[in-house]
Amino acid sequence: EDQVTQSPEALRLQEGESSSLNCSYTVSGLRGLFWYRQDPGKGPEFLFTLYSAGEEKEKERLKATLTKKESFLHITAPKPEDSATYLCAVQGSQGNLIFGKGTKLSVKP
Amino acid sequence: NAGVTQTPKFQVLKTGQSMTLQCAQDMNHEYMSWYRQDPGMGLRLIHYSVGAGITDQGEVPNGYNVSRSTTEDFPLRLLSAAPSQTSVYFCASSRTLNQPQHFGDGTRLSIL
Repeated sequence: EDQVTQSPEALRLQEGESSSLNCSYTVSGLRGLFWYRQDPGKGPEFLFTLYSAGEEKEKERLKATLTKKESFLHITAPKPEDSATYLCAVQGSQGNLIFGKGTKLSVKP
Repeated sequence: NAGVTQTPKFQVLKTGQSMTLQCAQDMNHEYMSWYRQDPGMGLRLIHYSVGAGITDQGEVPNGYNVSRSTTEDFPLRLLSAAPSQTSVYFCASSRTLNQPQHFGDGTRLSIL
């Protein structure tokens, strides 16, 4: 059964304190791994797609990496505006997305 | 571009009532989907469509119907609302199944 587990559930950081969010997955025939950001009261906003182990993508203070079993979202020198819930989803051979429960990130000034 | 538009934003229903959640996209996307998001759970797929006239069931389809008569619109119908259907509902679309999905801002539905 396809499954996605995100950790930690919640993460509190001081502004400038770098850290990483984890997304572990089991899926038959990975077609893609997606990272989304979700602000309160809003829909998820697309950040990255990763397709194969070893691939990395960056956007401002965020960097996503992928191995055969997990993905990391690295946040470098975060700012309060990076506070949000970060969602990971995998697309397996069935085609549809399987989402994790998310990591709620709070960045304090 | 409006992207994905969902209406209404909030709704309160009584048990047994029916209603339709509207979803429209202006990006000419072929793939559209409906998810529900509940506290402590990930987004779960209800129904999806790979093009006009084609729909299929997702992970949690019971109690919901969909149709896709045009590329732009993908309404979700609750046939007889139950308290277990209290949730936040998101509609999403993408150019194809393999492309990143764009989400609307959700419909917050409470069933008493």
